[in-house]
Amino acid sequence: KAGVTQTPRYLIKTRGQQVTLSCSPISGHRSVSWYQQTPGQGLQFLFEYFSETQRNKGNFPGRFSGRQFSNSRSEMNVSTLELGDSALYLCASSPRGAEDTQYFGPGTRLTVL
Amino acid sequence: AQTVTQSQPEMSVQEAETVTLSCTYDTSENNYYLFWYKQPPSRQMILVIRQEAYKQQNATENRFSVNFQKAAKSFSLKISDSQLGDTAMYFCAFMSLNTGTASKLTFGTGTRLQVTL
Repeated sequence: KAGVTQTPRYLIKTRGQQVTLSCSPISGHRSVSWYQQTPGQGLQFLFEYFSETQRNKGNFPGRFSGRQFSNSRSEMNVSTLELGDSALYLCASSPRGAEDTQYFGPGTRLTVL
Repeated sequence: AQTVTQSQPEMSVQEAETVTLSCTYDTSENNYYLFWYKQPPSRQMILVIRQEAYKQQNATENRFSVNFQKAAKSFSLKISDSQLGDTAMYFCAFMSLNTGTASKLTFGTGTRLQVTL
């Protein structure tokens, strides 16, 4: 079974632009969670989607948003990029009934110039 | 809110030796899971081991085992027979089982482990 895939793997944007990152969960998984990893703040939870509904949200500004499609694929969007948004963005999926077990993708490295 | 503390930023161990990574956490909840994740230089986060708080028996996965002390809120990871491939950043993480916070992992700051020849 294929693992979690994230596209693109690397991305360079400039301040003020917006960006969309994509995550395809493991087949059959319906829960998708997003995390931001930075050297200063470490790993922080962004949000979690289950069956196209946001079920949980971390403490991030409204510039960070996400959605989930009927095939469980998820996207996260960051509008009006700031330098501090430079980070590794990790996506994880979980099987139904076992949301405690999260399988992570390889991440998208976003650099904001 | 839960917090997870890893007080050892870096550790080193020789191949074939045993090393223990420390983790403490703070929570007022009673139902939760604890995890150790490994992040090698490739940056792929890999689940090493998990522990359900309601289980008194310590979890074990091959060379990896934990020492879970619920009252002390301590959750250490022991790696036996260390291998070069164990070189990675290790993160301790907490997940509540309460509705509204389930599926959210709270991570510690990590311990960088270097396995040497």
